[in-house]
Amino acid sequence: AQSVTQPDIHITVSEGASLELRCNYSYGATPYLFWYVQSPGQGLQLLLKYFSGDTLVQGIKGFEAEFKRSQSSFNLRKPSVHWSDAAEYFCAVLMEYGNKLVFGAGTILRVKS
Amino acid sequence: ETGVTQSPTHLIKTRGQQVTLRCSSQSGHNTVSWYQQALGQGPQFIFQYYREEENGRGNFPPRFSGLQFPNYSSELNVNALELDDSALYLCASTQWVSGANVLTFGAGSRLTVL
Repeated sequence: AQSVTQPDIHITVSEGASLELRCNYSYGATPYLFWYVQSPGQGLQLLLKYFSGDTLVQGIKGFEAEFKRSQSSFNLRKPSVHWSDAAEYFCAVLMEYGNKLVFGAGTILRVKS
Repeated sequence: ETGVTQSPTHLIKTRGQQVTLRCSSQSGHNTVSWYQQALGQGPQFIFQYYREEENGRGNFPPRFSGLQFPNYSSELNVNALELDDSALYLCASTQWVSGANVLTFGAGSRLTVL
């Protein structure tokens, strides 16, 4: 069955440190992949997406993600985390002919000063 | 500014009642979908509407129903509310970008069922 796994429920990093959030997917066809961010009490904001082409994609707020087909992964990275990045991050795969997004369970990022 | 607005932002209902949640998306976005996000979980696909017809459904019972209107607004109706229906309900409109669908979400309606 198609699924998205985010192995880390919580991650804490120091402000200014680098960040990597992991995402693995299970899908038979070429995946369309997304990262969304959700601040407390808010909806989902699109950070970046991968459809095809260059496997390293750039997004908003200084985030990037790399698609690795051999590892079925789409990890999110940021070189230097800011306190305002504290939020919950969701990885998602667009499935069923673009009919629905399947989300991971999310990773809560805490930033310590 | 997401272009997708939802109302109400919060509401409280009791078990067995019915609720209607509303969503207004951008002009020209003729596909809308609804997701349920329970506390501590990722959003789950409820259903999608395209040009006022249901166009895909997730694993939700028939008491979850929807409508889409010609003015790009839509509704999610839930009958016979259960405690487990307490969640954040997210509406998303779809744009076709670079050969695939991109979903833009509203801020959600938080439903509490007592």
